[in-house]
Amino acid sequence: GENVEQHPSTLSVQEGDSAVIKCTYSDSASNYFPWYKQELGKRPQLIIDIRSNVGEKKDQRIAVTLNKTAKHFSLHITETQPEDSAVYFCAASDGGSTLGRLYFGRGTQLTVWP
Amino acid sequence: NAGVTQTPKFQVLKTGQSMTLQCAQDMNHNSMYWYRQDPGMGLRLIYYSASEGTTDKGEVPNGYNVSRLNKREFSLRLESAAPSQTSVYFCASTQDLRQPQHFGDGTRLSIL
Repeated sequence: GENVEQHPSTLSVQEGDSAVIKCTYSDSASNYFPWYKQELGKRPQLIIDIRSNVGEKKDQRIAVTLNKTAKHFSLHITETQPEDSAVYFCAASDGGSTLGRLYFGRGTQLTVWP
Repeated sequence: NAGVTQTPKFQVLKTGQSMTLQCAQDMNHNSMYWYRQDPGMGLRLIYYSASEGTTDKGEVPNGYNVSRLNKREFSLRLESAAPSQTSVYFCASTQDLRQPQHFGDGTRLSIL
């Protein structure tokens, strides 16, 4: 099955700075890569996703980049705000299947200091 | 639009007790999933149901069973609870691989 590695496990930034979280995956057939944000005690919520036919996707202050050759993808948050503080999870699809299985990284605790 | 609804939200069990966690979605999604979330471990797939009438094991199925009762409902059963099953359990659903998964609010389960 797929193996997803996520780094760093914790990240602290000053408000207004940028934050970058990186993930690698093992299955070259994986073709769907979502990012979820989870606030303390809440459900994971999708913030952005990218498919393997696209190299970059942006939504306001959030962007995701994908390098299929190197099998890694990254989340970029610009102009960070205290409300961005949460745990962020990357995931990769089960490339050899149409069943919608996702494999998750272990998460990054992002803290944005005012 | 409720999305994915899980019950109960909290539960405390004694070792050896049995329990069923309920999940229902109102988005007419084909696929449903059960995950467990432990500190520092991310979300790990327990079981999933690609469509009504089918279920398959995920990464960590031991000690659990599931039932896809109909298209809306997917339940997770612990037949004989163990302390190692203390966790937060999330149910999710999606229409297909081209769509993102939507999560419920979770069930916080403690086994003493």
